Amino acid sequence: DQQVKQNSPSLSVQEGRISILNCDYTNSMFDYFLWYKKYPAEGPTFLISISSIKDKNEDGRFTVFLNKSAKHLSLHIVPSQPGDSAVYFCAASDSGGGADGLTFGKGTHLIIQP
Amino acid sequence: GAGVSQSPSNKVTEKGKDVELRCDPISGHTALYWYRQSLGQGLEFLIYFQGNSAPDKSGLPSDRFSAERTGGSVSTLTIQRTQQEDSAVYLCASSRGPSSYNEQFFGPGTRLTVL
Repeated sequence: DQQVKQNSPSLSVQEGRISILNCDYTNSMFDYFLWYKKYPAEGPTFLISISSIKDKNEDGRFTVFLNKSAKHLSLHIVPSQPGDSAVYFCAASDSGGGADGLTFGKGTHLIIQP
Repeated sequence: GAGVSQSPSNKVTEKGKDVELRCDPISGHTALYWYRQSLGQGLEFLIYFQGNSAPDKSGLPSDRFSAERTGGSVSTLTIQRTQQEDSAVYLCASSRGPSSYNEQFFGPGTRLTVL
């Protein structure tokens, strides 16, 4: 039973355009959401996060939007650059602390085409 | 600065053998996490340590899996009598504290292949 779902295994976007990665969750106890980026043979690295008290968080080219009623979040990257090509994981947690770890989606492989 | 390190980077073993995976967290990080990523799947949380103690071991897939952490630093994940379904990348992460708001820093992982 997947609690965090990324329904697009891959996404191809032209350089300079906007990349939109989507994530849905089912557990209403989740109140903190994160995006991680992963290159081959490396561990995931933290990209951006959002708390459930907000609906938007922006950091440079990266913006995360949260729609709590729809249990949906998205990551926008604009403009997309070749170095953005990677696997992006959506993750969620409840504020109960670290004992439950993070719940990850299966990831979306973003390919930025020149 | 030094990040999270894991060893070995790759491990190939025969079914039925025991394996031990090691994680060196970032110095000063009290929280340590183990995850695994099977082929085509997301990261699956296995166990969390705060200091040397693991309050909840229910995320471990079976009783063949065990983990320990000594001195509040290095952690080892041991898999006994390995099975082919144990093949995965095992990732370790550490953070400053147990709160979910503390960023988890991941190591590069250990790729385990059970033949």
